[in-house]
Amino acid sequence: ELQLVESGGGLVKPGGSLRLSCAASGFTFNNYDINWVRQAPGKGLEWVSSISSTSFYIFYADSVKGRFTISRDNAKNSVYLQMNSLRVEDTGVYYCARVEGDSLGPWGQGTLVTVSS
Amino acid sequence: AIQLTQAPSSLSASVGDRVSVTCRASQGINNALAWYQQKPGKPPSLLVYDASNLETGVPSRFSGSGSGTNFTLTIGSLQPEDFGTYYCQQFHNYPLTFGGGTKVDLK
Repeated sequence: ELQLVESGGGLVKPGGSLRLSCAASGFTFNNYDINWVRQAPGKGLEWVSSISSTSFYIFYADSVKGRFTISRDNAKNSVYLQMNSLRVEDTGVYYCARVEGDSLGPWGQGTLVTVSS
Repeated sequence: AIQLTQAPSSLSASVGDRVSVTCRASQGINNALAWYQQKPGKPPSLLVYDASNLETGVPSRFSGSGSGTNFTLTIGSLQPEDFGTYYCQQFHNYPLTFGGGTKVDLK
């Protein structure tokens, strides 16, 4: 079964750091790009970052550039999102999703990040 | 960045109604558009890719159309399980962007 499972969310103070993980199973992980997408409470979807299958291409939303770093370990079928200098507006559910052609699927269940003092 | 404008932002419809949601891109994106359905507390689920291709397992009452800057998601006969929020997303270039969402509820 195709599956993505996020972990690493939690409560952190403004200016703090968190590292999210996305563990994949059920497909040949090193053939696929992976994206992170977030959703603030009660709001819409916001694309955060993308990493290609070989890590050659990496992209970030302007809102996180310079603060977040995406990486992957194909031997561990995992993608990571290192989040530094966190802000209140970074609060939300963070999803990882596999890129399939010009779409995202499947998606993980998400991990909640709360930035609050 | 390419902006995607969805309309309407919300709608109420009855079971059996034909429902359409539009997504307009701020510049041409060929057919690099996907549609997702999201239910409360759940991740989004892919419905349509490349503007008009139905994802495997998605009921045939869903359809997508359009190219360039104007796109439409249509639900041919609304069912009770179709409540939720629908999002379009462009894959033409980075940064990837989503529309603001259309919340569909049942009368």
